[in-house]
Amino acid sequence: DGGITQSPKYLFRKEGQNVTLSCEQNLNHDAMYWYRQDPGQGLRLIYYSQIVNDFQKGDIAEGYSVSREKKESFPLTVTSAQKNPTAFYLCASSMTTGDHEQYFGPGTRLTVT
Amino acid sequence: RKEVEQDPGPFNVPEGATVAFNCTYSNSASQSFFWYRQDCRKEPKLLMSVYSSGNEDGRFTAQLNRASQYISLLIRDSKLSDSATYLCVVNMAVSDYKLSFGAGTTVTVRA
Repeated sequence: DGGITQSPKYLFRKEGQNVTLSCEQNLNHDAMYWYRQDPGQGLRLIYYSQIVNDFQKGDIAEGYSVSREKKESFPLTVTSAQKNPTAFYLCASSMTTGDHEQYFGPGTRLTVT
Repeated sequence: RKEVEQDPGPFNVPEGATVAFNCTYSNSASQSFFWYRQDCRKEPKLLMSVYSSGNEDGRFTAQLNRASQYISLLIRDSKLSDSATYLCVVNMAVSDYKLSFGAGTTVTVRA
């Protein structure tokens, strides 16, 4: 089945630690995205990538880093510089033609204490 | 002004009722419009794209009004399973793949 996988589903970390969230897709989509969702709020774009080895900052990139070494993979690292890292993180992908509708993975809930 | 604004609701409706809600967007050059559905603590899922002529998918009807810069979603014959948050989503620029998401409208269908 084609789709997007994110792991793990739940992640707990101590403050001051970096943590990497995984995102893999087998939809053959060129573009991939990372969003953050806080309770009662909309999705906010962290980083996006339209092609391998290239990515751009979204609206809230501070404290995060990404890489895009393979078309299928777009991992997100939440660094210790991110002041409020506890959130629901969603990865998405889309084609770069057509309407650009995005398809989401199941998300990772990160709790930092 | 937010790029995409929605009435957060909640809209509480009985089974079988019709419910409708709108969202407004700020960029008149926006090209693509979507409604996504998000269940509690789950990922958003594409419900339907919205086309200029309006479109229907079963009990769901979406409309686009470019002049007033809003899109609407109407749900007929509501089911308990329609209870969810509905996200209005807009592609703000032709040259960009980014989407802007509204904060969502919550619909609760009661028995």
